Amino acid sequence: GENVEQHPSTLSVQEGDSAVIKCTYSDSASNYFPWYKQELGKRPQLIIDIRSNVGEKKDQRIAVTLNKTAKHFSLHITETQPEDSAVYFCAASRNYGGSQGNLIFGKGTKLSVKP
Amino acid sequence: EPEVTQTPSHQVTQMGQEVILRCVPISNHLYFYWYRQILGQKVEFLVSFYNNEISEKSEIFDDQFSVERPDGSNFTLKIRSTKLEDSAMYFCATVPGRTSTDTQYFGPGTRLTVL
Repeated sequence: GENVEQHPSTLSVQEGDSAVIKCTYSDSASNYFPWYKQELGKRPQLIIDIRSNVGEKKDQRIAVTLNKTAKHFSLHITETQPEDSAVYFCAASRNYGGSQGNLIFGKGTKLSVKP
Repeated sequence: EPEVTQTPSHQVTQMGQEVILRCVPISNHLYFYWYRQILGQKVEFLVSFYNNEISEKSEIFDDQFSVERPDGSNFTLKIRSTKLEDSAMYFCATVPGRTSTDTQYFGPGTRLTVL
């Protein structure tokens, strides 16, 4: 089955710096890769996702890149702010022809943005 | 914007007791999932449900677990005889399911504490 590895487990940056979180996956059939932000005690919130027919996607300060050959994808946050502090999870799934696969999550990265 | 809701927000039970966790999906969503998250760990897939039957289940989802949509709206997770290790946050997630590009929306979670 699918296995998702995520690094680093913790990341501390100064406000205004960039943060990069990397994930690798094992199942070449996976084609959907969302990123979730989870604040303490709250539900995971989707912040950005990418599908396998796209190599890069950007939404304001957040971007995701996907390398299908190497089976890795990364989250990039630019101009970090204290409110970006949270745990970030990557995930992978297979969605085909209307069939919605379950998400396999990485172990999470605790991002701390220091003012 | 419609959201997935879950009840109760916190459930405390004695080991060996049965618990039922409830989820109200977003209206017209077709795919439903249960995930769990042990404190400080990653989110883990339990089961997916579509067209009134289980689509897929993980190794965690053993005979002690069951799911159903008893009234066509609520989506429930039952644990027949709880164990200490069942203590976790349980998240319901739903997907519209009309295309293969849909996103999973998570509910706020139920914190289950088994004593």
